[in-house]
Amino acid sequence: SQELEQSPQSLIVQEGKNLTINCTSSKTLYGLYWYKQKYGEGLIFLMMLQKGGEEKSHEKITAKLDEKKQQSSLHITASQPSHAGIYLCGVLPRGTSGSRLTFGEGTQLTVNP
Amino acid sequence: DGGITQSPKYLFRKEGQNVTLSCEQNLNHDAMYWYRQDPGQGLRLIYYSQIVNDFQKGDIAEGYSVSREKKESFPLTVTSAQKNPTAFYLCASSISQIPPTEQYFGPGTRLTVT
Repeated sequence: SQELEQSPQSLIVQEGKNLTINCTSSKTLYGLYWYKQKYGEGLIFLMMLQKGGEEKSHEKITAKLDEKKQQSSLHITASQPSHAGIYLCGVLPRGTSGSRLTFGEGTQLTVNP
Repeated sequence: DGGITQSPKYLFRKEGQNVTLSCEQNLNHDAMYWYRQDPGQGLRLIYYSQIVNDFQKGDIAEGYSVSREKKESFPLTVTSAQKNPTAFYLCASSISQIPPTEQYFGPGTRLTVT
């Protein structure tokens, strides 16, 4: 979607390295959701961010929503092969009805042992 | 265990045939959704339902139909009118739409039409 950009499209890192994935919206957001997907499987919910400046962590994964509420970064510390997969951000633009999320194209993460 | 089930995991059909994909949830969620995912692309919303006996079109509803006769079930029919039906289909549910809450996803059904 042109409303939403995820970068990078793919990322290959060595085990133990840190990495960051970005999600940028052209609209002010009511909420932003991060999901992880293994190829051919469903999406696993990681975290939801709503307030500008909000930061949440799940194990070694941390996500932050910027103050203007149009961009989020997802940071993985000391990556492990278990972190490999596709990371998708879903956004709920302000003014959108209900939970109609718009998803980015995803970031394919490979972690080499 | 509570969750969302989709069946079958893989589905093969000949062109011109309608096919129905199953989605069941026992999470007592009010809202349910159908998405389509194509290689290298994000998810696109097909249909969603906030409550039993009510549903709305998403961004790519043409060639699809749904029903919501029970809270637990939200089947999706891919009709012969859908020009490019081969894709990975994901069903999701959430507690409500107002206020928005996170969506939980099923394992998906991969549909191949030849």
